[in-house]
Amino acid sequence: GEDVEQSLFLSVREGDSSVINCTYTDSSSTYLYWYKQEPGAGLQLLTYIFSNMDMKQDQRLTVLLNKKDKHLSLRIADTQTGDSAIYFCAPRGSYIPTFGRGTSLIVHP
Amino acid sequence: DSGVTQTPKHLITATGQRVTLRCSPRSGDLSVYWYQQSLDQGLQFLIQYYNGEERAKGNILERFSAQQFPDLHSELNLSSLELGDSALYFCASSVGTSDEQYFGPGTRLTVT
Repeated sequence: GEDVEQSLFLSVREGDSSVINCTYTDSSSTYLYWYKQEPGAGLQLLTYIFSNMDMKQDQRLTVLLNKKDKHLSLRIADTQTGDSAIYFCAPRGSYIPTFGRGTSLIVHP
Repeated sequence: DSGVTQTPKHLITATGQRVTLRCSPRSGDLSVYWYQQSLDQGLQFLIQYYNGEERAKGNILERFSAQQFPDLHSELNLSSLELGDSALYFCASSVGTSDEQYFGPGTRLTVT
């Protein structure tokens, strides 16, 4: 099945940029999603990129896709303390939805 | 608010018992997904229903079962509960079979 790898933790200072990386194995992934989970809450769809795109920008969020290397990244510009959460990468290709283990983003004031 | 509702919010029960978790999808969504989230296993996909039919099956134990009713709400039944079943159980819904998913707030199950 699909394997999705993410680093478990990322620590940044407020105002800096955060880059969360994800690698996956399923080359048939058509949509690649990023979800955010705040403490005690469900996952919230943050953004996504279609597989024929290299980049998508949405306000402070930039998604980069390297399809050849099966590498996806999420950049958050001007990171705020409210961005502290767990971020999940979720490429979707096959029937089985697969999520990475999530990257805990810790933002220091 | 995603529009997906789950009940109950918290559930505490004893080993060997059976519980039912309920999910109502967003209006217009035909797919319902169930996930288990625990610290050691991360987010595990259990099962997906689309318009009343089972669509995809993940790491769902035989002690667990689910169904989607004609009004599209879904129930996840967990039986012969073990301590290791303690986790957060999320329901998500989507319009079709592989679109973006909208997650409910989850049910926290504690098995004592």
